[in-house]
Amino acid sequence: DQQVKQNSPSLSVQEGRISILNCDYTNSMFDYFLWYKKYPAEGPTFLISISSIKDKNEDGRFTVFLNKSAKHLSLHIVPSQPGDSAVYFCAATSQGAQKLVFGQGTRLTINP
Amino acid sequence: DAGVTQSPTHLIKTRGQQVTLRCSPISGHKSVSWYQQVLGQGPQFIFQYYEKEERGRGNFPDRFSARQFPNYSSELNVNALLLGDSALYLCASSLLRDGYGYTFGSGTRLTVV
Repeated sequence: DQQVKQNSPSLSVQEGRISILNCDYTNSMFDYFLWYKKYPAEGPTFLISISSIKDKNEDGRFTVFLNKSAKHLSLHIVPSQPGDSAVYFCAATSQGAQKLVFGQGTRLTINP
Repeated sequence: DAGVTQSPTHLIKTRGQQVTLRCSPISGHKSVSWYQQVLGQGPQFIFQYYEKEERGRGNFPDRFSARQFPNYSSELNVNALLLGDSALYLCASSLLRDGYGYTFGSGTRLTVV
């Protein structure tokens, strides 16, 4: 029962262009969504989050969009930099829940 | 400030053995959670402890157990290891009880042979 899905295992983007990572969820109880970035041999690092009462949240080069009716969220990185190359995980939770539910991850490669 | 620290970083065990993984949360964080990340998948929730009590358990067999100590550090124990237990085990700590604001450690890479 995969409640959070990232259907693209990998994505390759030219440096300076926009990277768009997608995530779908099935559980309508989820009310808070997070994106984590993971480098090899390190734990996931929090990147940006969004509450279900919003449809957009921006932090520097990173913007997360939430479409509740479609149960879809996306992470936009503009402009993409080589240091952005990593695995990105989408995660979801709900008020009172004790856990994060993660997607399978998308490996982003930024090409010079 | 030190982040979430986990030990050991790597270990190799034989099928049927038992293993104990350790986690020290960020100072002041009272919530500790454990996740298992199998290669090619996202982290899967195993346990959450808050104020030394188990507050949540994921869909893992009883071979998995954990505890939290008075200083809020935590141990994850896995008995009767199977090859399928090979994974990266992540510890996360948080000020809050719910799923917001987690900071993850770098993990323990467990290989069962």
